[in-house]
Amino acid sequence: EVHLLESGGGLVQAGGSLRLSCAASGFTFSKYAMSWVRQAPGKGLEWVSGTSDSGGSTLYADSVKGRFTISRDNSKNMLYLQMYSLRAEDTAIYYCAKVIPSSGWYSDWGQGTLVTVSS
Amino acid sequence: NFMLAQPHSVSESPGKTVTISCTRSSGNIASHYVQWYQQRPGSSPTTVIYEDDQRPSGVPDRFSGSIDSSSNSASLTISGLKTEDETDYYCQSYDNNIQVFGGGTKLTVL
Repeated sequence: EVHLLESGGGLVQAGGSLRLSCAASGFTFSKYAMSWVRQAPGKGLEWVSGTSDSGGSTLYADSVKGRFTISRDNSKNMLYLQMYSLRAEDTAIYYCAKVIPSSGWYSDWGQGTLVTVSS
Repeated sequence: NFMLAQPHSVSESPGKTVTISCTRSSGNIASHYVQWYQQRPGSSPTTVIYEDDQRPSGVPDRFSGSIDSSSNSASLTISGLKTEDETDYYCQSYDNNIQVFGGGTKLTVL
């Protein structure tokens, strides 16, 4: 059974940094692209960033480009999101999600971790 | 980048059929797969339709998906509505490796 467990969320001041982690199990992590998707309180889903199975290719939403960095450690089955220069509008639940190759859909999601940026 | 437009809310009675639309603002809806996710309050999203019209195992066949190139839109149809279907639904697609979600539709079954 696929299991994704996010951690690292919390309360941070505007301009601060935070590193989110996602521990993956139940599948061959190194064979799947992964993404971070967030959801602001009471709002819809927003794709944040994605990485290829090897980590060699990364993509970002315009809203976080230059401030967030996605990475992965396939030896530890871990996905990360390093967030810098945080803004109030980054306040959200951050989900990690497993991406199905070629069709780009999210087959499994973690339970999410809440990031609150105070201004 | 393109956008996916969904109605903010839809409502229908138990036992009836409802369709939620997802209209792509630019580019061909058929050029990249469309997915549909169900999200209950306080929970993570789950997939009800992937690759336009495929159902994951465990999703009842009351849920179906389709694509209409003439309107450049995708649709999620739920038949035999149950009160448990009342929640939020999101469409999702991509282009140039950028993922896009629709704004979400709140389904009310009353």
